[in-house]
Amino acid sequence: GAGVSQSPSNKVTEKGKDVELRCDPISGHTALYWYRQSLGQGLEFLIYFQGNSAPDKSGLPSDRFSAERTGGSVSTLTIQRTQQEDSAVYLCASSLLESTQYFGPGTRLTVL
Amino acid sequence: AQSVTQPDIHITVSEGASLELRCNYSYGATPYLFWYVQSPGQGLQLLLKYFSGDTLVQGIKGFEAEFKRSQSSFNLRKPSVHWSDAAEYFCAALTGNQFYFGTGTSLTVIP
Repeated sequence: GAGVSQSPSNKVTEKGKDVELRCDPISGHTALYWYRQSLGQGLEFLIYFQGNSAPDKSGLPSDRFSAERTGGSVSTLTIQRTQQEDSAVYLCASSLLESTQYFGPGTRLTVL
Repeated sequence: AQSVTQPDIHITVSEGASLELRCNYSYGATPYLFWYVQSPGQGLQLLLKYFSGDTLVQGIKGFEAEFKRSQSSFNLRKPSVHWSDAAEYFCAALTGNQFYFGTGTSLTVIP
């Protein structure tokens, strides 16, 4: 697996439930980004991890959103008490330092 | 405010015709610049990037882009479009540790 992987590829949940989205970055990449892409829209930055530094959470839309990156590798984006407006494709990207981003295929989240 | 602008929301071209997708950025210094393509249901794939040096950069799938500092532009071009080029195209800029993406241009290719 040379690329960025994300799981699940699709997630359907009910309003009010919590969801966890996973991202496995390219091995050795120190930077990891989460974006949200709503239907027909561009990319909305959510959060950025770089090495052991404190993450840049400036893009998280509300306190229902949080993310962790364990061991400088795998990251989990958690959305608590999901709302219908959370429905979107969630994209993860990784890069070596601050350089070219490589994207995963995304997780399509549908909140009913 | 720092931003990336793609003025064309949607473009339609005939197969075999030339293509130019516009991208403008607004920053104090020259950022790193990228073009990505997103096919339906797929993630973003890097087409090309500009960091420094030659202002005309070549990418995959026959695409090229030219950085013009005086116009703060980084337009994407292809001399002859193929039907498989139909997709969403995103311009992006990296400044510091922050990436800024344009809102994308949707390309339709007609036979």
